[in-house]
Amino acid sequence: AQRVTQPEKLLSVFKGAPVELKCNYSYSGSPELFWYVQYSRQRLQLLLRHISRESIKGFTADLNKGETSFHLKKPFAQEEDSAMYYCALSGHNFNKFYFGSGTKLNVKP
Amino acid sequence: DTEVTQTPKHLVMGMTNKKSLKCEQHMGHRAMYWYKQKAKKPPELMFVYSYEKLSINESVPSRFSPECPNSSLLNLHLHALQPEDSALYLCASSQAVTSGTEAFFGQGTRLTVV
Repeated sequence: AQRVTQPEKLLSVFKGAPVELKCNYSYSGSPELFWYVQYSRQRLQLLLRHISRESIKGFTADLNKGETSFHLKKPFAQEEDSAMYYCALSGHNFNKFYFGSGTKLNVKP
Repeated sequence: DTEVTQTPKHLVMGMTNKKSLKCEQHMGHRAMYWYKQKAKKPPELMFVYSYEKLSINESVPSRFSPECPNSSLLNLHLHALQPEDSALYLCASSQAVTSGTEAFFGQGTRLTVV
């Protein structure tokens, strides 16, 4: 069965500090991995996906198939990065998203 | 227009009421979804529509009845709900149901069943 695990419910860092939000997955096949973000009072929106290999708002995520991980990283956190972050997995045939439980990132001034 | 619009934003209904949630997108997306999100929990998939046809029903109780009248609209009809059905209901759309396609989410309808 597919599963997405985000071990940290809350992550607090100071502005300018590096941040890493952890995501591990289990899936019998080659999944598509995503990070979605939800800022306060805003809709859930795509941050990045592994197939794009891009950096969005300074965030990057590398798919590590050996460790079945897709950790989200940013070298210098900003206060505006404070939000809820969801790691999500999309399976083979249909675009069914399985979301992790989410990590709330709090960037302190 | 890159938005998914949901109405109403808030809904309070009794257990004997019948109500409907509406979702609209004008991005030409052919896949639309309903998700349910309980407080402090991740969204959980309920239904997937592809080309206006129901493709996936994640074993959702029949008191939730989806409908896709056309390619831009998605409804969720509610009848005889229970208090535990209170949640944020999210609509999403994507260009296709192909795996890996970005899903665009609406703001959600916050439903309270009394």
